[in-house]
Amino acid sequence: GQSLEQPSEVTAVEGAIVQINCTYQTSGFYGLSWYQQHDGGAPTFLSYNGLDGLEETGRFSSFLSRSDSYGYLLLQELQMKDSASYFCAVRGRTGANNLFFGTGTRLTVIP
Amino acid sequence: NAGVTQTPKFRVLKTGQSMTLLCAQDMNHEYMYWYRQDPGMGLRLIHYSVGEGTTAKGEVPDGYNVSRLKKQNFLLGLESAAPSQTSVYFCASYNAGGEQYFGPGTRLTVT
Repeated sequence: GQSLEQPSEVTAVEGAIVQINCTYQTSGFYGLSWYQQHDGGAPTFLSYNGLDGLEETGRFSSFLSRSDSYGYLLLQELQMKDSASYFCAVRGRTGANNLFFGTGTRLTVIP
Repeated sequence: NAGVTQTPKFRVLKTGQSMTLLCAQDMNHEYMYWYRQDPGMGLRLIHYSVGEGTTAKGEVPDGYNVSRLKKQNFLLGLESAAPSQTSVYFCASYNAGGEQYFGPGTRLTVT
């Protein structure tokens, strides 16, 4: 089976840095993805890690350690519009890019 | 490009009624997926398709059927709706870069 754990809620101040952790257990692992979802909206892709290390995309970075079954999403220079839910998802080795999602972390950015 | 579109956006059904949700994508993607999202939960995969004419079961397939008669369309059917199927349904398609593109969602209430 598969399971992912991430904090349910995080609050941070505008302009600060926040890290959202994700630990996973899966029978087959092919990568870790991160998605953002605003209230009432659709999930949108942020980042993907197929190999160990850091991936950087603008203010967002994502890290993966396969030996620790652990990853994180780092958001820098937080803006009010970053208030949203963030989901980690593992990609299994089914050949169909199936994703198994965590339950999400709700980030609230305060002034 | 419209990306991924879903029809309808909202629907209220009575227990036992049937309906079909339509998903269309104009990005020529081979893979398509149907997810459901319940409050405070991540997305759970219902069914998926790796190409025209193919479908497969995901994590929570019971009570749903799907068809992929054309590459650009993926239909999700509920033959006899139950209150437990009240949820937000998202369709997604996949490109080779590891990113799934999501539609805007269909909010379904079964009374």
